[in-house]
Amino acid sequence: DAKTTQPPSMDCAEGRAANLPCNHSTISGNEYVYWYRQIHSQGPQYIIHGLKNNETNEMASLIITEDRKSSTLILPHATLRDTAVYYCIVRVAGSGGSNYKLTFGKGTLLTVNP
Amino acid sequence: DGGITQSPKYLFRKEGQNVTLSCEQNLNHDAMYWYRQDPGQGLRLIYYSQIVNDFQKGDIAEGYSVSREKKESFPLTVTSAQKNPTAFYLCASSIRKEGLSYEQYFGPGTRLTVT
Repeated sequence: DAKTTQPPSMDCAEGRAANLPCNHSTISGNEYVYWYRQIHSQGPQYIIHGLKNNETNEMASLIITEDRKSSTLILPHATLRDTAVYYCIVRVAGSGGSNYKLTFGKGTLLTVNP
Repeated sequence: DGGITQSPKYLFRKEGQNVTLSCEQNLNHDAMYWYRQDPGQGLRLIYYSQIVNDFQKGDIAEGYSVSREKKESFPLTVTSAQKNPTAFYLCASSIRKEGLSYEQYFGPGTRLTVT
């Protein structure tokens, strides 16, 4: 799986959009960008994933640059409950063989302030 | 209400005792996984199972054992052979199509403390 780089921490005001960047310059053509988050002392939560088109669901939007070397997760109206560590992971969508594990890096600690 | 349940949330054991952590899912997922997370660290894969009655070792299987007798259940036993069992244990599951596994959904975790 391609390596990703994320800032260690970010702050956001409640009600504003939170834009979390991720660099993945070595991404391969068949690798997707996945985002998970982990609220303190809870299990990771799947947020969204995409290949090259922008994606949106009820939780967030994912913007992937045209060259696919970076992406941004957007939480349109951040709330205090969005305070968590956000992980950007690049991997093949369907994993076979021994490539089942999810490799979580350090992630970005997003703190939403009142 | 579909999801993954892990019980208990907190577990305390004395050194030398085996302990079994429960993981149940009603998502009808074929694949299930066990990870371990230590403070400030990422997740490390312990065991995974793609179908009932089949499972494989992950990166840190020593001192652990699993079973997969039912599709919805994947219990993890932490044996006395595990040198550093105190950790946060996470169970996950995913759909499986045409032999490939997709995005994983996690349970709330069990925090095990061994003294």
